Amino acid sequence: NAGVTQTPKFQVLKTGQSMTLQCAQDMNHEYMSWYRQDPGMGLRLIHYSVGAGITDQGEVPNGYNVSRSTTEDFPLRLLSAAPSQTSVYFCASSYSSASGYADTQYFGPGTRLTVL
Amino acid sequence: AQSVAQPEDQVNVAEGNPLTVKCTYSVSGNPYLFWYVQYPNRGLQFLLKYITGDNLVKGSYGFEAEFNKSQTSFHLKKPSALVSDSALYFCAVRGKRDTGRRALTFGSGTRLQVQP
Repeated sequence: NAGVTQTPKFQVLKTGQSMTLQCAQDMNHEYMSWYRQDPGMGLRLIHYSVGAGITDQGEVPNGYNVSRSTTEDFPLRLLSAAPSQTSVYFCASSYSSASGYADTQYFGPGTRLTVL
Repeated sequence: AQSVAQPEDQVNVAEGNPLTVKCTYSVSGNPYLFWYVQYPNRGLQFLLKYITGDNLVKGSYGFEAEFNKSQTSFHLKKPSALVSDSALYFCAVRGKRDTGRRALTFGSGTRLQVQP
């Protein structure tokens, strides 16, 4: 049971380039999400998905796209990278209980992205 | 809107002494509260959560947290600190009136430094 995996671990982009951050989980979790971590700001929600084919925006969605074609995978796409997107990106997943509010989210190891 | 405050950027404690990492929250309705720990260059690891019931919650690695509704606090504690506890600790909240994002709102984090 690998849990939540993310690739790549590190990435350097030039302004304007695009790329996809990969996230996969093998726990059959319905809920998946992407956060970014910036110094002194904790983690902020970018996008989330409550199941295959269903995605929605979080707190800071601009400049990012997501899709959820399978339960296991939830890739995050940067359309045209900007220096403001330099951050550490975490993917998380959880079971989706009836209420959802008490569900524990499990995090991947993160992707450290630098945009020059 | 929900929010979390971790008033201390860093907490220093000697090995063997008790430790406390403070967290206060603001949320509509009943809160669901979480503590996560982040070791260097790693993802967030779940420590414990409060859903309902006993105000003292026990979690992983000997940590516990005390929920205080009147003070809207959820402080993390450990009776005897270890050098290996040195890490970044995040408090997070999810309110029952969340619109469905099921997102966690994180504090800015507290760095715990345990000196030998």
